[in-house]
Amino acid sequence: GDSVTQMEGPVTLSEEAFLTINCTYTATGYPSLFWYVQYPGEGLQLLLKATKADDKGSNKGFEATYRKETTSFHLEKGSVQVSDSAVYFCALSGGGGGNKLTFGTGTQLKVEL
Amino acid sequence: DTGVSQDPRHKITKRGQNVTFRCDPISEHNRLYWYRQTLGQGPEFLTYFQNEAQLEKSRLLSDRFSAERPKGSFSTLEIQRTEQGDSAMYLCASSLMLAGGLEQYFGPGTRLTVT
Repeated sequence: GDSVTQMEGPVTLSEEAFLTINCTYTATGYPSLFWYVQYPGEGLQLLLKATKADDKGSNKGFEATYRKETTSFHLEKGSVQVSDSAVYFCALSGGGGGNKLTFGTGTQLKVEL
Repeated sequence: DTGVSQDPRHKITKRGQNVTFRCDPISEHNRLYWYRQTLGQGPEFLTYFQNEAQLEKSRLLSDRFSAERPKGSFSTLEIQRTEQGDSAMYLCASSLMLAGGLEQYFGPGTRLTVT
C-alpha cells in the first residue's frame, strides 16, 4: 500500500538557518503530495501541495518539488524563524489508496534564537 | 471564516462507556473524512463520506466504531465500549470534490482519554 517516510526529529536550528526536511513516498499511480504543519496547540494546516511530477509547491517561504524519479518531496526554507517551530507532516493522496491522505510520522522543528 | 469545527474538544471517559463526537465541515464541502492520531504519529485514515454516503472504511475501524453523515452535512463518530487503546486525537477534515479539489481542511480535533 501507499506509505510516506520522513526524517526523524526533532530538528533543532538557529534562526535564519537553512531547513531541509526529507520525505520519500511509495505509491502506485500518480499521487498528489502535500506538506501539512501543526503549530503547538493548533490543528493541522495545509502548507503546500504539488499534483504532478516536477511541480513545485510554495507558501510562506517554504518550497517542495515533486520528484518522481527519486519518489521524494523534500521541504526546504532558506531562512527559518522562531515562529516556524512546529511539527511538519508529509502526506500523499490519490495513489493506490484513493482519496484519503496517507501521512508520514511527522518531523518536529525547533528554531532557537 | 468558518472552518471545520469539532465538538467536544476534549473527552475523558471510563473504559466500557460509549462516546460520540461531532464534526461540522466547511459548509459547501461534500467530502468529510475522519482520522485518528496518536502521540508521535501521523494521522491515520478511518473513514470518509461523499455527501451522505460512506464510501470507504479502514480496517482500523472495528465494529465498535460507527460513523454517520445523515444529511450530507455534519457527521458523528461513535465509539462503543471504549478501550484504553482508543485514547487518541480524532480529527475531522473536509474537502470539495471538484476538479483538482484535493486539499483537505482539518478541524482542531477531539482528544479522547479512556481511563
